[in-house]
Amino acid sequence: DQQVKQNSPSLSVQEGRISILNCDYTNSMFDYFLWYKKYPAEGPTFLISISSIKDKNEDGRFTVFLNKSAKHLSLHIVPSQPGDSAVYFCAASAGGAGNMLTFGGGTRLMVKP
Amino acid sequence: ETGVTQSPTHLIKTRGQQVTLRCSSQSGHNTVSWYQQALGQGPQFIFQYYREEENGRGNFPPRFSGLQFPNYSSELNVNALELDDSALYLCASSQDRVGAKNIQYFGAGTRLSVL
Repeated sequence: DQQVKQNSPSLSVQEGRISILNCDYTNSMFDYFLWYKKYPAEGPTFLISISSIKDKNEDGRFTVFLNKSAKHLSLHIVPSQPGDSAVYFCAASAGGAGNMLTFGGGTRLMVKP
Repeated sequence: ETGVTQSPTHLIKTRGQQVTLRCSSQSGHNTVSWYQQALGQGPQFIFQYYREEENGRGNFPPRFSGLQFPNYSSELNVNALELDDSALYLCASSQDRVGAKNIQYFGAGTRLSVL
C-alpha cells in the first residue's frame, strides 16, 4: 500500500524551461510535505517543504504547490538548469508521528543543455 | 557545522551474519532516523531515536535494532542477514524544535551487499 506515489519515473526538460514534478498521496493524516533531491553516491538533500495549512511555498527557483482536496502536490523548477539533473523524492509526514517520513518512489529529472 | 556522517560507506556480508552501521548526527540535532532504500525505490522508514529511546518504528522485523548514545550518535544493527537486506541504509538527523522539527538532514548512506 503506497501512501505516497510519484507516477513519473523520469522527466526530460530543456535548459531554461519549467520542470514540473508531481506527487500524490492517500493518507489524510499527512500534514507536512517535503521534496528532497538526490545525486548518485550522495544522501537526499532537503529542497523545500510545505505545511498543509498553506497551498504554496516558494524558495528561489523552486515552488511547491499543495492541493489538499486532490491529495496532490507538485514541485516547479523555473528556470531549469543542467545542475538540477537528479532524482527527486516527495515525502510526507503526519503530526505526532515522530517525524517518520513516507517517501514516494522518486522521479529522475534530466535537464538537457 | 558538520553534517550527518555515516560509516562505513560500503559493506559486504554473507547471509546469516550480523552487521552494525554507524551514524553521527548533525551538530545540535538530538533525533536520529534510519531508512532503508532498495534499488529503484524511495527510502523506507526503519525507526527513529530521540534522547536515546526508540520513538517510532516502521514495518521492519525485530532483527533490525538500534541504539542512540548520549552524544546523539546512533547505530543500526541487523541480525541474521538476508539477501533482501541488500540496500542503501540512510541515517537522518533533526532538531526537536517546532517549525524545524520535520526537516531531516541525511547522510550519504552505507551501501550493504548481502551475498
